[in-house]
Amino acid sequence: SQTIHQWPATLVQPVGSPLSLECTVEGTSNPNLYWYRQAAGRGLQLLFYSVGIGQISSEVPQNLSASRPQDRQFILSSKKLLLSDSGFYLCAWRGPGGKFFGPGTRLTVL
Amino acid sequence: GDSVTQMEGPVTLSEEAFLTINCTYTATGYPSLFWYVQYPGEGLQLLLKATKADDKGSNKGFEATYRKETTSFHLEKGSVQVSDSAVYFCAVFGTSYDKVIFGPGTSLSVIP
Repeated sequence: SQTIHQWPATLVQPVGSPLSLECTVEGTSNPNLYWYRQAAGRGLQLLFYSVGIGQISSEVPQNLSASRPQDRQFILSSKKLLLSDSGFYLCAWRGPGGKFFGPGTRLTVL
Repeated sequence: GDSVTQMEGPVTLSEEAFLTINCTYTATGYPSLFWYVQYPGEGLQLLLKATKADDKGSNKGFEATYRKETTSFHLEKGSVQVSDSAVYFCAVFGTSYDKVIFGPGTSLSVIP
């Protein structure tokens, strides 16, 4: 069966610090992968999606970036965090039955 | 482009009340429609889906019917429980784009 992992589960970072969130998928090959953010009191926002290694599409211009160095690894990064980057970050992959989400990373920027 | 509109929350109901959460969409072609649920402190879970017009998705007592003529996919449950308290997201999986468009989510609180 397919599983999706995210880490860390929670993160508290100061403004201006770098960020790296990792997502890995098991049990499938060449998945379509997605990064979403859920800010407090708001719905889900699609940040990036990737259909393959090295292929990244950005939905919202901002100070975040994504990379896909391996088939089942998707990384969300920032060089300098902003207060507005606080939120709940979800990685997802698309399967035949729909979209399946990882457990999420709660990021607090202070 | 594709979009999803959901009724604004939060919604507060008493246990055993009838639930309806409205969802309408705009999309080209024949999209697939989904409802996702996020329980407190957890990630998103797929609740139900429908892939063509007039299909009815159902799970855990929830139902939603794909109405192409009204471009709607309203979520219903006849008798809600406290354990149904969560945020519900309507989503459109377009055929033209390899991504899912989510609605803003509707928070539901069920009180005993």
